[in-house]
This record gives sequence, structure tokens and C-alpha cells, in this order.
Amino acid sequence: DAGVIQSPRHEVTEMGQEVTLRCKPISGHDYLFWYRQTMMRGLELLIYFNNNVPIDDSGMPEDRFSAKMPNASFSTLKIQPSEPRDSAVYFCASSLGSRAQPQHFGDGTRLSIL
Amino acid sequence: GQNIDQPTEMTATEGAIVQINCTYQTSGFNGLFWYQQHAGEAPTFLSYNVLDGLEEKGRFSSFLSRSKGYSYLLLKELQMKDSASYLCAVLTGANNLFFGTGTRLTVIP
Repeated sequence: DAGVIQSPRHEVTEMGQEVTLRCKPISGHDYLFWYRQTMMRGLELLIYFNNNVPIDDSGMPEDRFSAKMPNASFSTLKIQPSEPRDSAVYFCASSLGSRAQPQHFGDGTRLSIL
Repeated sequence: GQNIDQPTEMTATEGAIVQINCTYQTSGFNGLFWYQQHAGEAPTFLSYNVLDGLEEKGRFSSFLSRSKGYSYLLLKELQMKDSASYLCAVLTGANNLFFGTGTRLTVIP
């Protein structure tokens, strides 16, 4: 069975550029999460969706970050304009049924902003 | 605010037993997860506790005491492949999941 699929795996871009990260959750899962992981702050929840609807975006750092889920099988996280402090590994995860269910993580996107 | 504490690093010997502790202070509690994350890889689910007591799953066990705000992950018969970070995560009363910064375990021969 296919797990959570993220693309790209690596992204290197210059400060000020727009960055778009993509995620395909596990088929049938109704929750989708975007996380950011850094050495200093660990794994932080940015936003999550339930049935394609954003439920909690309080973790989104600022207006430069936006996320969409146009359908049950696709989500994007966009950073515009990007800054060096956005460099991190971004994970997408999905789960089924409730917040008490295990989350299945994608392999992540390693983002470097120069 | 939410607070989750784990030791930053631990070292243990192959074949031994290691206990990784996690203490938490959160706004309400709806369960505690443990995830394993190998370097450069995604976190993978290990266990979920919502009631007090010990849950055993093969070489791995997880314990929870809600009154003490305390959990531990017990790894038995350590293998080299168990070298990884172990993340404690708490589901709060508002059903928000907060992760600790993780414990990096190194297994030595």
C-alpha cells in the first residue's frame, strides 16, 4: 500500500523565491497534517485539515505561509516569499478517524533557503 | 502552555534494556504517543497510551501514569537498529498533538 507521498524530497532555493511543497495522503484518510522539524524546535504542527477543511492553523508562523487542500488526495504548503529561517524538514502526515489515531508520515521535504 | 520533557541523548549497550522517560504538563490529556525516527527518515508510530499502565508490544513497552504526568518507553534486547530518536507526543484536551524534542538513543556494541 502506498504511504504518504511528498514532493519534492529536497528543495534548495534563494531567499525571496516562492516554494511549494506537495503531499498526497494515504487513500481514505480524513486527517492531514503539515509539520516542520528543526534541531532547535523539534517537530511543530503548522496546520491540519479534516475532510479537506482547515481546522487549526495556529502553528503557521506568519502570513508568508499558506496551505490548501483542494481535494481528499492532495495538499500544498506554500511559502512566499521564502527566508533563510524557513530552512527545515517539512513533513506531511495523515490519519484516519480521529486525532487519537496514529499519524502516518511522509518522507519529508528537506528545504534549504539560501 | 504545553511542556513535554525528555532527555536529549542516551547511550546503551546492544542486548541491554533502556528506559526513555517523558514528563508532560498540558492543558488536558487525551493520550500519549511514542514515535521512532531514524536519522533522515520520517517518524513511525510505536505506541499509544490513554489509560494508566503498561502496554507491551514485542521488545517495546510503554507505560503511562496520568496522575504523575509521566510516561516511559522501555526497549528490551537492544539491537543496533534501535539507534534512533524517540519522540514523545501528547494529545491535549483540545485534541492538539504536541511533540517533545525527542531522545536520541545510541546503541553501542
